[in-house]
Amino acid sequence: GAVVSQHPSRVICKSGTSVKIECRSLDFQATTMFWYRQFPKKSLMLMATSNEGSKATYEQGVEKDKFLINHASLTLSTLTVTSAHPEDSSFYICSAPRQGAHTGELFFGEGSRLTVL
Amino acid sequence: LAKTTQPISMDSYEGQEVNITCSHNNIATNDYITWYQQFPSQGPRFIIQGYKTKVTNEVASLFIPADRKSSTLSLPRVSLSDTAVYYCLVGGYSGNTPLVFGKGTRLSVIA
Repeated sequence: GAVVSQHPSRVICKSGTSVKIECRSLDFQATTMFWYRQFPKKSLMLMATSNEGSKATYEQGVEKDKFLINHASLTLSTLTVTSAHPEDSSFYICSAPRQGAHTGELFFGEGSRLTVL
Repeated sequence: LAKTTQPISMDSYEGQEVNITCSHNNIATNDYITWYQQFPSQGPRFIIQGYKTKVTNEVASLFIPADRKSSTLSLPRVSLSDTAVYYCLVGGYSGNTPLVFGKGTRLSVIA
């Protein structure tokens, strides 16, 4: 079946540094990918829609300069948390719909846990 | 995007059937109903999807009444490994529209 893979699964960084998280669709092409963040015991919150070949669409309240999204190819989207601070510590999850599928099922990555010290 | 309402939590003993109901009063004509399961520190996983009436797969059944303003996920004979958060989502068929997650239902299965 379709698989979406994220890397790294866990990352710890110092405050002020930037962290890049990769999201890959392994056996299908994804012109669109979605990025979510999730705080402990909370639901997923949509951050942005990543579009291959064009700019990402950010949800209200999400800083586009802080969370840089690049959809470099039909199988790769990256989220870069710039100048990370402790409040950016969270679980980041990407997802992608499988084009041409008979359902609107979204495939989710395993998630990336970011801890900013 | 239609808003969904689910119970915050449910408890069940192993071997019982669990039914989780979701309300989505503002569902649009072209919206599908999809349920996802999420374990701690993992991404959500697709369980089942439907448009109307009843859908059944190897892990669950989904019951949708004629007015489509609610849906019920049925998990037969739950086990400890079914302890997770279950999300009901309503959205377009194409999958290109992002899904907005509600608060979900935290199911705890007890031995």
